[in-house]
Amino acid sequence: AQKITQTQPGMFVQEKEAVTLDCTYDTSDQSYGLFWYKQPSSGEMIFLIYQGSYDEQNATEGRYSLNFQKARKSANLVISASQLGDSAMYFCAMRGPSGGSYIPTFGRGTSLIVHP
Amino acid sequence: ETGVTQSPTHLIKTRGQQVTLRCSSQSGHNTVSWYQQALGQGPQFIFQYYREEENGRGNFPPRFSGLQFPNYSSELNVNALELDDSALYLCASSLVGDSVESPLHFGNGTRLTVT
Repeated sequence: AQKITQTQPGMFVQEKEAVTLDCTYDTSDQSYGLFWYKQPSSGEMIFLIYQGSYDEQNATEGRYSLNFQKARKSANLVISASQLGDSAMYFCAMRGPSGGSYIPTFGRGTSLIVHP
Repeated sequence: ETGVTQSPTHLIKTRGQQVTLRCSSQSGHNTVSWYQQALGQGPQFIFQYYREEENGRGNFPPRFSGLQFPNYSSELNVNALELDDSALYLCASSLVGDSVESPLHFGNGTRLTVT
């Protein structure tokens, strides 16, 4: 069974500073994908970044980077140069084989507030 | 490129009633999945359709059912509504079918309230 744990219910950061959102996962699969999504108050989930279990380099997408530590089963999201528009819920998720299909599992989310 | 659209945006139903939620996938995407997101929680996977066949189901009772149509649009049907069914229902589509690397593209969701 797959499990995603996000231990930070809420985080605060000053505008233009960097922030790290924690995510640990548990799976017995060798092949899996890790994702981060952003959910503003409007409700839509926005895909941010992807890391494959076999990728040796950390994924980066603009101001987002994923700090992937496979041995520790962690996939932390780093947001550099925070902006006021980054205030939102952030969800870590994974996809791995489960009964023949790649069912996604989400964490409970971290609420990020960016202060001016 | 048209994104994922869901309708209606809000819905109020009475316990015991039935509801149908609709989703139009992003252009070219052949896989659609549905999620229930209770307040303060992460999305919970309900089921997934690939080329009109259900190919994955989460821990939801049979009164949650779905369809995917030839144009890849989809419906979520919930029978015998219960108060705990009140939630945001999210639809997502993906391009590469069923794989570990397919990011999900979500719609804005339908907010269902059961009274």
